[in-house]
Amino acid sequence: SQKIEQNSEALNIQEGKTATLTCNYTNYSPAYLQWYRQDPGRGPVFLLLIRENEKEKRKERLKVTFDTTLKQSLFHITASQPADSATYLCALDISNNNDMRFGAGTRLTVKP
Amino acid sequence: GAVVSQHPSRVICKSGTSVKIECRSLDFQATTMFWYRQFPKKSLMLMATSNEGSKATYEQGVEKDKFLINHASLTLSTLTVTSAHPEDSSFYICSATSQGRWASPLHFGNGTRLTVT
Repeated sequence: SQKIEQNSEALNIQEGKTATLTCNYTNYSPAYLQWYRQDPGRGPVFLLLIRENEKEKRKERLKVTFDTTLKQSLFHITASQPADSATYLCALDISNNNDMRFGAGTRLTVKP
Repeated sequence: GAVVSQHPSRVICKSGTSVKIECRSLDFQATTMFWYRQFPKKSLMLMATSNEGSKATYEQGVEKDKFLINHASLTLSTLTVTSAHPEDSSFYICSATSQGRWASPLHFGNGTRLTVT
């Protein structure tokens, strides 16, 4: 069956540390993958997109990797801050036609 | 740029009544809009894909007669929950993409919290 799994429902880290979130998928061959941030009671906000031919993408303190062999993406937040506390969702285009499906998300809490 | 406005943010209705939720793209043309439902601590469940000027495509298990979707213009899509029941209580979110842009980000509204009493 096809799955998108974010295998940590919740992650707690100390301020200043690097948070690493994982997104694994099975039986998909996405041309690209996206990461979103969602705060409670709000809609998701786009963070980063990485294509299948890109190994790594960076934006300020954020870094995403994409390993199509392992069928996995890692999302890193360096020098984490309490304001980074939110739920982070990965999303795949399952049909190469902007048909995005989402993982269940990882709720990150950064403690001061 | 790329702002999506969703209204209302919260609505409480009585069982058996209908509720309309609006999703507007404020500064871009959205040829495609998506409607999702989200349960607490769960991910977004795609309900339907709405293309301007044509009928919506519903995901398996979503009742098209219960969740009526209209995408009459490039900036507006509506979701009407008909004959609402308490089990329809949920967080509904819309998103939109720009015309002709493959691999573009989805722009989301801030959701509508529906409570059916």
